[in-house]
Amino acid sequence: EAGVVQSPRYKIIEKKQPVAFWCNPISGHNTLYWYRQNLGQGPELLIRYENEEAVDDSQLPKDRFSAERLKGVDSTLKIQPAELGDSAVYLCASSPIGTSGNNEQFFGPGTRLTVL
Amino acid sequence: AQKVTQAQTEISVVEKEDVTLDCVYETRDTTYYLFWYKQPPSGELVFLIRRNSFDEQNEISGRYSWNFQKSTSSFNFTITASQVVDSAVYFCALSDSWGKLQFGAGTQVVVTP
Repeated sequence: EAGVVQSPRYKIIEKKQPVAFWCNPISGHNTLYWYRQNLGQGPELLIRYENEEAVDDSQLPKDRFSAERLKGVDSTLKIQPAELGDSAVYLCASSPIGTSGNNEQFFGPGTRLTVL
Repeated sequence: AQKVTQAQTEISVVEKEDVTLDCVYETRDTTYYLFWYKQPPSGELVFLIRRNSFDEQNEISGRYSWNFQKSTSSFNFTITASQVVDSAVYFCALSDSWGKLQFGAGTQVVVTP
């Protein structure tokens, strides 16, 4: 079974440029998460989807970040414009049907963003 | 608010030594879940174990063991007879009943031959 797929793996951009990250969750997983992991820290949740619906986006900086999950499968996270402080690893995770704290989250390899 | 504290930033051991990673958590929920994840240099987080707040039974899986103590709000992780392949960053995480994960800052484990 394929795991969570993310692309690109690495991205280098200049500040004020836009950038987008793509995630394809494990087949059949209805819940999808985007996390940001700063260097030397644990991942922090940005947004959680149940199918197409964003059920928790309280941590998403909405002035510059946006996300979508059309058709409840793939998801895209966008930053526009990027700032120096956005340099981090962006992780996507998915979990099986139903929102439950008991569900294991399966993580992708992440996209390492460097903003110059 | 939920909080997870991993006080050890880095632990260095020689192969075959045991290593224990500490995790202390804070929550007001009565139902919650605790996790350990491993992040090797490749970057992908790998699930190791899950525990719910009603199950304080300790668990052993091969060279890994976990000690959950609600009285001290701790969920510690021990690697017995460490190997070089155990070198990674290990994260303790706390989830509420809705699946919102709060991670600790992680502990870097370095195992040298």
